[in-house]
Amino acid sequence: QQQVKQSPQSLIVQKGGISIINCAYENTAFDYFPWYQQFPGKGPALLIAIRPDVSEKKEGRFTISFNKSAKQFSLHIMDSQPGDSATYFCAASKGAGNNRKLIWGLGTSLAVNP
Amino acid sequence: GAVVSQHPSRVICKSGTSVKIECRSLDFQATTMFWYRQFPKQSLMLMATSNEGSKATYEQGVEKDKFLINHASLTLSTLTVTSAHPEDSSFYICSARRGDIVQYFGPGTRLTVL
Repeated sequence: QQQVKQSPQSLIVQKGGISIINCAYENTAFDYFPWYQQFPGKGPALLIAIRPDVSEKKEGRFTISFNKSAKQFSLHIMDSQPGDSATYFCAASKGAGNNRKLIWGLGTSLAVNP
Repeated sequence: GAVVSQHPSRVICKSGTSVKIECRSLDFQATTMFWYRQFPKQSLMLMATSNEGSKATYEQGVEKDKFLINHASLTLSTLTVTSAHPEDSSFYICSARRGDIVQYFGPGTRLTVL
């Protein structure tokens, strides 16, 4: 059972456009929701993260929107650039100590056309 | 801040040999580190959670005798793939947790077993 469902699987956006990736979760105990960006052959890099006590967080061109009642969160990339072409993973975690592990979405491959 | 390194970045070995991968947190201390495996175009699969000074906790289905993990200090964890076989070929990624929640990832190690 996929605890964190991510969509779409792939996305093509024109340069300057807005990229939107969505994730949904089931377990209301999750209390930390990060997004990671991964380029081919590299490890994931933390992009932005949110806790459930806020509905939106913005860092530069990247924004997380969080809907607690709908159990959904999304990543918005404004003014998308070819350099943003990468795989994006959403994740969620809960608990403490060794019990706090990242539960991953399946990833979204983003291609930004020049 | 929050830099995690891995060494080597790429290793090719013969079947039956053992390979050690190092993971270091360069600018923070990490009581907890994680080891992941990633297959092409797939999400990250957690292999084990590594705690400084204690035995690692392995995920279900991961052979602890094949994947030896040692967390010798607050900045170093090692993964040794023992008696490697071609099916162990994969992209191995470590992460280090800063504080209680946030994980930062290393650049990954590409293992190829001939």
